[in-house]
Amino acid sequence: DAKTTQPTSMDCAEGRAANLPCNHSTISGNEYVYWYRQIHSQGPQYIIHGLKNNETNEMASLIITEDRKSSTLILPHATLRDTAVYYCIVGSSGDKLTFGTGTRLAVRP
Amino acid sequence: DAGVIQSPRHEVTEMGQEVTLRCKPISGHDYLFWYRQTMMRGLELLIYFNNNVPIDDSGMPEDRFSAKMPNASFSTLKIQPSEPRDSAVYFCASSRTSGGPYEQYFGPGTRLTVT
Repeated sequence: DAKTTQPTSMDCAEGRAANLPCNHSTISGNEYVYWYRQIHSQGPQYIIHGLKNNETNEMASLIITEDRKSSTLILPHATLRDTAVYYCIVGSSGDKLTFGTGTRLAVRP
Repeated sequence: DAGVIQSPRHEVTEMGQEVTLRCKPISGHDYLFWYRQTMMRGLELLIYFNNNVPIDDSGMPEDRFSAKMPNASFSTLKIQPSEPRDSAVYFCASSRTSGGPYEQYFGPGTRLTVT
């Protein structure tokens, strides 16, 4: 039973913002939203996580709706190196993380 | 820090042979995870350890698979005997818990081909 729903694929132009949506309508109060990405032939890479508030780090921003049923990962200025599969994962602290199929993001030159 | 180290990076073996994959987690991390990735099934968690103790091995496909963590800096995943359907990329990841959510750091993976 999938906890998250993501579009299969997306694309954006290099230099523009990439906005990747994720639905997690059954998220419970103690569950976090994590984002990872996997560049071809590499291991997954942690990007960001959040509980209720919006979060920002050097890689991306995470916007979580007030009801916490959906979120958006924002890459503010996408580059070709951001082409990857992006995974939105919901889980509690200390839980194992279950990776779904993710969103395949293609950044166009 | 060198990150999570996995060896070998590539392994080609014949059906029926024993295969041992190795992982060195990041120093100070107390969780270690073994994943398998295939085109058909995606990224699957096989087993994870906390403080060298196996916590959940429900993802281990069958008795041919076994994993050990003899100390905090080393873990092995063994397949005996190997079969062609075991061909996949095997990732090891580690993380550190400090009372809150944690990030998993993944190794580069071992690409296993069983002929």
